[in-house]
Amino acid sequence: EDKVVQSPLSLVVHEGDTVTLNCSYEVTNFRSLLWYKQEKKAPTFLFMLTSSGIEKKSGRLSSILDKKELFSILNITATQTGDSAVYLCAVEAYGQNFVFGPGTRLSVLP
Amino acid sequence: DADVTQTPRNRITKTGKRIMLECSQTKGHDRMYWYRQDPGLGLRLIYYSFDVKDINKGEISDGYSVSRQAQAKFSLSLESAIPNQTALYFCATSDLDGGSYNEQFFGPGTRLTVL
Repeated sequence: EDKVVQSPLSLVVHEGDTVTLNCSYEVTNFRSLLWYKQEKKAPTFLFMLTSSGIEKKSGRLSSILDKKELFSILNITATQTGDSAVYLCAVEAYGQNFVFGPGTRLSVLP
Repeated sequence: DADVTQTPRNRITKTGKRIMLECSQTKGHDRMYWYRQDPGLGLRLIYYSFDVKDINKGEISDGYSVSRQAQAKFSLSLESAIPNQTALYFCATSDLDGGSYNEQFFGPGTRLTVL
Protein backbone atom coordinates (compact mmCIF):
# COMPACT_ATOMS: atom_id res chain seq x y z
CA GLU A 1 0.00 0.00 0.00
CA ASP A 2 1.32 3.41 -0.96
CA LYS A 3 2.21 5.57 1.99
CA VAL A 4 3.48 9.09 2.67
CA VAL A 5 4.82 10.03 6.09
CA GLN A 6 5.66 13.53 7.25
CA SER A 7 7.63 14.68 10.23
CA PRO A 8 7.37 16.45 12.47
CA LEU A 9 3.58 16.62 12.62
CA SER A 10 3.76 19.90 14.46
CA LEU A 11 6.48 22.51 14.92
CA VAL A 12 6.66 25.84 16.73
CA VAL A 13 9.49 28.25 15.98
CA HIS A 14 10.26 31.95 16.31
CA GLU A 15 10.59 34.41 13.49
CA GLY A 16 13.99 34.23 11.88
CA ASP A 17 14.50 30.54 12.58
CA THR A 18 15.21 28.04 9.82
CA VAL A 19 13.05 24.94 9.62
CA THR A 20 13.31 21.64 7.79
CA LEU A 21 10.20 19.59 7.08
CA ASN A 22 10.51 15.96 6.11
CA CYS A 23 8.52 13.73 3.80
CA SER A 24 9.23 10.05 3.23
CA TYR A 25 7.28 7.77 0.96
CA GLU A 26 6.69 4.24 -0.17
CA VAL A 27 5.05 4.06 -3.56
CA THR A 28 5.23 1.81 -6.55
CA ASN A 29 6.21 3.48 -9.83
CA PHE A 30 7.03 6.89 -8.37
CA ARG A 31 6.37 9.76 -10.71
CA SER A 32 6.57 13.03 -8.76
CA LEU A 33 6.51 14.50 -5.28
CA LEU A 34 4.69 17.72 -4.55
CA TRP A 35 4.68 20.18 -1.68
CA TYR A 36 1.66 22.30 -0.85
CA LYS A 37 1.05 25.05 1.69
CA GLN A 38 -2.35 25.13 3.33
CA GLU A 39 -3.40 28.09 5.37
CA LYS A 40 -7.05 28.46 6.27
CA LYS A 41 -8.36 27.28 2.96
CA ALA A 42 -7.32 25.30 -0.09
CA PRO A 43 -3.79 23.93 -0.48
CA THR A 44 -1.62 26.00 -2.75
CA PHE A 45 1.16 24.53 -4.81
CA LEU A 46 4.78 25.11 -3.82
CA PHE A 47 7.05 22.66 -5.63
CA MET A 48 7.02 19.60 -7.82
CA LEU A 49 10.07 17.34 -7.72
CA THR A 50 10.76 14.57 -10.15
CA SER A 51 14.54 14.15 -10.16
CA SER A 52 16.96 13.44 -7.34
CA GLY A 53 19.43 16.02 -6.17
CA ILE A 54 18.02 19.02 -8.02
CA GLU A 55 17.07 21.74 -5.60
CA LYS A 56 13.97 23.76 -6.33
CA LYS A 57 13.97 27.23 -4.85
CA SER A 58 11.42 29.98 -4.42
CA GLY A 59 12.43 32.89 -2.23
CA ARG A 60 13.10 31.58 1.27
CA LEU A 61 11.70 28.14 0.46
CA SER A 62 13.64 25.32 -1.11
CA SER A 63 13.12 21.62 -1.57
CA ILE A 64 15.07 18.62 -2.73
CA LEU A 65 14.28 14.99 -3.49
CA ASP A 66 16.25 11.82 -2.84
CA LYS A 67 14.73 9.00 -4.90
CA LYS A 68 17.20 6.46 -3.61
CA GLU A 69 16.35 7.03 0.04
CA LEU A 70 12.71 7.88 -0.80
CA PHE A 71 12.41 11.21 0.91
CA SER A 72 12.19 14.92 0.36
CA ILE A 73 12.83 17.93 2.56
CA LEU A 74 11.32 21.37 2.50
CA ASN A 75 13.48 24.12 3.97
CA ILE A 76 12.25 27.53 5.03
CA THR A 77 14.89 30.07 6.02
CA ALA A 78 14.35 33.27 8.02
CA THR A 79 10.82 32.22 8.86
CA GLN A 80 8.06 34.81 9.13
CA THR A 81 4.66 34.66 10.81
CA GLY A 82 3.12 34.41 7.35
CA ASP A 83 4.81 31.04 6.93
CA SER A 84 2.48 29.61 9.59
CA ALA A 85 0.47 26.93 7.83
CA VAL A 86 0.09 23.21 7.31
CA TYR A 87 2.59 21.92 4.78
CA LEU A 88 1.39 18.92 2.81
CA CYS A 89 3.52 16.45 0.91
CA ALA A 90 1.93 14.37 -1.85
CA VAL A 91 3.32 11.67 -4.10
CA GLU A 92 2.04 10.69 -7.51
CA ALA A 93 2.70 7.29 -9.01
CA TYR A 94 2.32 6.33 -12.64
CA GLY A 95 -1.18 5.14 -13.38
CA GLN A 96 -2.32 6.07 -9.90
CA ASN A 97 -3.36 9.09 -7.97
CA PHE A 98 -1.86 11.51 -5.55
CA VAL A 99 -1.30 10.14 -2.05
CA PHE A 100 -1.06 12.79 0.63
CA GLY A 101 0.79 12.76 3.91
CA PRO A 102 -0.86 14.00 7.11
CA GLY A 103 0.87 17.37 6.92
CA THR A 104 3.19 19.32 9.20
CA ARG A 105 1.61 22.15 11.12
CA LEU A 106 4.14 25.00 11.38
CA SER A 107 3.56 27.86 13.78
CA VAL A 108 5.92 30.84 13.60
CA LEU A 109 5.79 33.07 16.64
CA PRO A 110 6.74 36.76 16.46
CA ASP B 1 -12.55 34.58 -10.79
CA ALA B 2 -11.44 31.35 -9.20
CA ASP B 3 -10.49 28.52 -11.53
CA VAL B 4 -12.03 25.84 -9.29
CA THR B 5 -15.20 26.66 -7.39
CA GLN B 6 -17.19 24.66 -4.89
CA THR B 7 -20.74 25.10 -3.63
CA PRO B 8 -21.84 25.31 -0.94
CA ARG B 9 -18.90 26.56 1.09
CA ASN B 10 -20.49 25.56 4.37
CA ARG B 11 -23.34 23.17 5.12
CA ILE B 12 -24.90 21.84 8.27
CA THR B 13 -27.27 18.92 7.88
CA LYS B 14 -28.86 16.12 9.85
CA THR B 15 -28.17 12.41 9.87
CA GLY B 16 -29.97 10.62 7.05
CA LYS B 17 -30.27 13.61 4.73
CA ARG B 18 -29.07 13.53 1.14
CA ILE B 19 -26.41 16.11 0.37
CA MET B 20 -24.81 17.16 -2.89
CA LEU B 21 -21.57 19.10 -3.13
CA GLU B 22 -20.78 20.66 -6.46
CA CYS B 23 -17.52 21.51 -8.15
CA SER B 24 -16.93 23.51 -11.30
CA GLN B 25 -13.67 24.37 -13.05
CA THR B 26 -12.66 26.71 -15.83
CA LYS B 27 -9.17 25.32 -16.30
CA GLY B 28 -10.19 22.92 -19.05
CA HIS B 29 -8.67 20.00 -17.17
CA ASP B 30 -9.82 16.47 -17.83
CA ARG B 31 -9.05 15.09 -14.40
CA MET B 32 -11.14 15.92 -11.35
CA TYR B 33 -10.96 14.63 -7.79
CA TRP B 34 -12.88 14.72 -4.55
CA TYR B 35 -10.98 14.59 -1.25
CA ARG B 36 -11.96 14.85 2.36
CA GLN B 37 -9.69 16.28 5.00
CA ASP B 38 -9.87 15.39 8.66
CA PRO B 39 -7.52 16.71 11.36
CA GLY B 40 -4.25 14.77 11.41
CA LEU B 41 -5.16 12.60 8.42
CA GLY B 42 -4.22 14.78 5.49
CA LEU B 43 -6.26 14.55 2.31
CA ARG B 44 -7.94 11.25 1.46
CA LEU B 45 -9.26 10.50 -1.99
CA ILE B 46 -12.97 9.71 -2.29
CA TYR B 47 -13.52 9.51 -6.06
CA TYR B 48 -11.73 10.62 -9.17
CA SER B 49 -12.58 11.03 -12.82
CA PHE B 50 -10.09 11.13 -15.69
CA ASP B 51 -12.73 12.20 -18.18
CA VAL B 52 -16.50 12.43 -18.49
CA LYS B 53 -16.92 8.70 -19.07
CA ASP B 54 -14.36 7.56 -16.55
CA ILE B 55 -15.18 7.50 -12.83
CA ASN B 56 -13.21 5.58 -10.24
CA LYS B 57 -13.40 4.89 -6.55
CA GLY B 58 -10.70 6.24 -4.32
CA GLU B 59 -9.46 5.23 -0.91
CA ILE B 60 -12.68 5.99 1.01
CA SER B 61 -15.63 5.82 -1.41
CA ASP B 62 -18.13 4.01 0.84
CA GLY B 63 -21.13 6.23 1.60
CA TYR B 64 -20.41 8.55 -1.34
CA SER B 65 -21.31 8.72 -5.02
CA VAL B 66 -20.29 11.08 -7.80
CA SER B 67 -21.51 12.38 -11.11
CA ARG B 68 -19.39 13.92 -13.89
CA GLN B 69 -22.00 15.95 -15.70
CA ALA B 70 -19.52 17.60 -18.04
CA GLN B 71 -15.80 18.13 -18.32
CA ALA B 72 -16.14 21.16 -16.09
CA LYS B 73 -18.47 19.73 -13.43
CA PHE B 74 -18.00 16.99 -10.87
CA SER B 75 -20.54 16.50 -8.07
CA LEU B 76 -20.20 14.52 -4.87
CA SER B 77 -23.28 13.09 -3.15
CA LEU B 78 -23.84 11.71 0.29
CA GLU B 79 -26.96 9.60 -0.10
CA SER B 80 -27.65 9.35 3.62
CA ALA B 81 -25.31 11.54 5.64
CA ILE B 82 -23.85 10.29 8.91
CA PRO B 83 -21.91 12.22 11.58
CA ASN B 84 -18.53 10.69 10.72
CA GLN B 85 -18.82 12.32 7.31
CA THR B 86 -18.32 15.66 9.01
CA ALA B 87 -15.18 17.00 7.35
CA LEU B 88 -13.70 19.53 4.98
CA TYR B 89 -14.22 18.46 1.37
CA PHE B 90 -11.98 19.57 -1.47
CA CYS B 91 -12.41 19.29 -5.18
CA ALA B 92 -9.26 19.35 -7.30
CA THR B 93 -8.30 19.23 -10.96
CA SER B 94 -5.20 18.25 -12.85
CA ASP B 95 -4.21 17.58 -16.40
CA LEU B 96 -1.50 16.03 -18.51
CA ASP B 97 -0.24 18.44 -21.09
CA GLY B 98 1.77 16.65 -23.72
CA GLY B 99 2.97 14.16 -21.14
CA SER B 100 4.44 16.78 -18.83
CA TYR B 101 3.84 16.79 -15.12
CA ASN B 102 1.15 18.91 -13.58
CA GLU B 103 0.15 19.65 -10.05
CA GLN B 104 -3.37 19.59 -8.70
CA PHE B 105 -5.40 22.76 -8.35
CA PHE B 106 -7.78 22.87 -5.42
CA GLY B 107 -11.13 24.49 -4.86
CA PRO B 108 -11.76 26.53 -1.71
CA GLY B 109 -13.33 23.62 0.15
CA THR B 110 -16.76 22.82 1.58
CA ARG B 111 -17.08 22.45 5.32
CA LEU B 112 -19.78 19.87 5.99
CA THR B 113 -21.21 19.20 9.43
CA VAL B 114 -23.56 16.27 9.96
CA LEU B 115 -25.49 16.42 13.21
